[in-house]
Amino acid sequence: GAVVSQHPSWVICKSGTSVKIECRSLDFQATTMFWYRQFPKQSLMLMATSNEGSKATYEQGVEKDKFLINHASLTLSTLTVTSAHPEDSSFYICSARGSRDKEVFGPGTRLTVT
Amino acid sequence: DAKTTQPPSMDCAEGRAANLPCNHSTISGNEYVYWYRQIHSQGPQYIIHGLKNNETNEMASLIITEDRKSSTLILPHATLRDTAVYYCIVSGEGGQNFVFGPGTRLSVLP
Repeated sequence: GAVVSQHPSWVICKSGTSVKIECRSLDFQATTMFWYRQFPKQSLMLMATSNEGSKATYEQGVEKDKFLINHASLTLSTLTVTSAHPEDSSFYICSARGSRDKEVFGPGTRLTVT
Repeated sequence: DAKTTQPPSMDCAEGRAANLPCNHSTISGNEYVYWYRQIHSQGPQYIIHGLKNNETNEMASLIITEDRKSSTLILPHATLRDTAVYYCIVSGEGGQNFVFGPGTRLSVLP
């Protein structure tokens, strides 16, 4: 079945540094990928919609200069958290829309900023 | 805002059927009902989806009322590994993102 992977699964970085998270659709092509953020004991919140070959669409309140999204191919989207701060610590999840409108989610990346 | 309402939590005895309700009274004609679940610290897992007919797969059954304003996810024989947060989501075809509500936290008890 359709599988989405994320790398890394967890990362710890120092405040002020940048970190890149990769999202790959392993066995299907995805023209659209989505990036979500989930804080402890809360639901998933959409951050942005990533379209292959074009600029991402960000949700209200999400800083596009801080969360850089690149969707360079039909199987890869990346999220770069720039100048990370402790409040950016969260669980970041990507998803890709596969066949029959089924959205396939990655396993998530836990980011801790110290 | 999410277009669905679900009870915040439910308990179910191991081996019994778990029936998780969802209200989606504002659903439009071309919107599907999707169910996903999230086990702690993992990404959401697809369970089932449907438009207006009842659906069944190896994981669960989905019962959608005739007016499509509510649905029920049925796990026929719940196991401890079914303990998770279950999300009911209404979404149209192609391109539209999912809007997650708080979901129902199902606890399967031994």
